[in-house]
Amino acid sequence: NAGVTQTPKFQVLKTGQSMTLQCAQDMNHEYMSWYRQDPGMGLRLIHYSVGAGITDQGEVPNGYNVSRSTTEDFPLRLLSAAPSQTSVYFCATGTSTDTQYFGPGTRLTVL
Amino acid sequence: GDSVTQMEGPVTLSEEAFLTINCTYTATGYPSLFWYVQYPGEGLQLLLKATKADDKGSNKGFEATYRKETTSFHLEKGSVQVSDSAVYFCALSPTSGTYKYIFGTGTRLKVLA
Repeated sequence: NAGVTQTPKFQVLKTGQSMTLQCAQDMNHEYMSWYRQDPGMGLRLIHYSVGAGITDQGEVPNGYNVSRSTTEDFPLRLLSAAPSQTSVYFCATGTSTDTQYFGPGTRLTVL
Repeated sequence: GDSVTQMEGPVTLSEEAFLTINCTYTATGYPSLFWYVQYPGEGLQLLLKATKADDKGSNKGFEATYRKETTSFHLEKGSVQVSDSAVYFCALSPTSGTYKYIFGTGTRLKVLA
């Protein structure tokens, strides 16, 4: 079992570019979520999904889109990257009220 | 709304010292409480959890007790090691069907040999 995988590990973008951060899980969990981690801010929830076809906004959704067509995959799309989106992004999966399993993260820099 | 407050870091200790990292919470309903640990360059991983009042979670020498009367879930370890150096996050599970986990801001622990 791979658990939760994220690609890429590192990415550098220019302002205005778009990209998709990939997240995949083989744990058959319905609940998946995306967080960003910034110094002194802890983890902030961007978007989450409680099952295929169902997504909702978290605390900081602006500038990001998600979709969930399968149980396994939950990609995060940056539509037009901004320097304020420079961060480390974590995908997590689990049940809706119990332990969350985190991927290794994607470190994104927007110039 | 629900929230988690944990002590600011960094916390610097000598090896074999006693560790306490404070965590208090505000929540409607009856959430589960968690401590996660993040080692350098890695994602978060569960350290321990407690699902109801008075439960004690424990793992790798770390302990925390779910205290509903003081809304606290403080992390303790009797004798820290250099390998415990990491960032520790307190968290609570969604309540009232919100599906939104709440994480604290994290406390960085550095243990010196």
